[in-house]
Amino acid sequence: EVQLVESGGGLVQPGGSLRLSCAVSGFTFSSSELNWVRQAPGKGLEWVSYIRISDDTIYYADSVKGRFTLSRDNAKNSVFLQMNGLRAEDTAVYYCARGNSHGGLDPAMLNFDRWGQGTLVTVSS
Amino acid sequence: QSVLTQSPSASGTPGQRVTISCSGSSSTIGNNYVYWYQQFPGTAPKLLIYRNDQRPSGVPDRFSGSKSGTSASLAISGLRSEDEAEYHCATWDDTLSGPVFGGGTKLTVL
Repeated sequence: EVQLVESGGGLVQPGGSLRLSCAVSGFTFSSSELNWVRQAPGKGLEWVSYIRISDDTIYYADSVKGRFTLSRDNAKNSVFLQMNGLRAEDTAVYYCARGNSHGGLDPAMLNFDRWGQGTLVTVSS
Repeated sequence: QSVLTQSPSASGTPGQRVTISCSGSSSTIGNNYVYWYQQFPGTAPKLLIYRNDQRPSGVPDRFSGSKSGTSASLAISGLRSEDEAEYHCATWDDTLSGPVFGGGTKLTVL
């Protein structure tokens, strides 16, 4: 069974840091493409970051570039989102989502076929 | 403010056909595939439609997607109470070089 499990959310003060984890199972991690997508309270979805595990290609949304860093650990079948310089507007539920390119027919940064349950990040003093 | 425009709410009665729209531009919907996600309160989104009009395995054929010019639509026929959810559209933005979402439409089944 395909599973993505996020952890690491919590309450942090503005300017602080937090590290989110996404542990996956049920599919081949080394050839997967994973994304972070967030949803502020009462708002729509916002794509945050993407990683192609096979070659470590990584992309970030402009809103987080320079503050967030995506990394991976193949031994743990996990990806990590290091979030520094957090702002109130980063408050959101952060979802880990698998991208499916269908052999190149779809952007893996848009076609999210499996999602985790999400982890809440609250930035407040 | 979202790059893609969706009406905040929509409603229908059981058995009815409802349509949810998503409006973009030539650099978004006009030149790229559209994806639709269904989200129940407190849960993660679920892929409903990909590549404008394709349904993943397990999605009922009551759900259909279409695209025309710079707009896209999600149609739900034979509306059921369990269809009450929020629906999000998404596509690629050629200007931003990244994916963008609509603000979501909350569907109420009366």
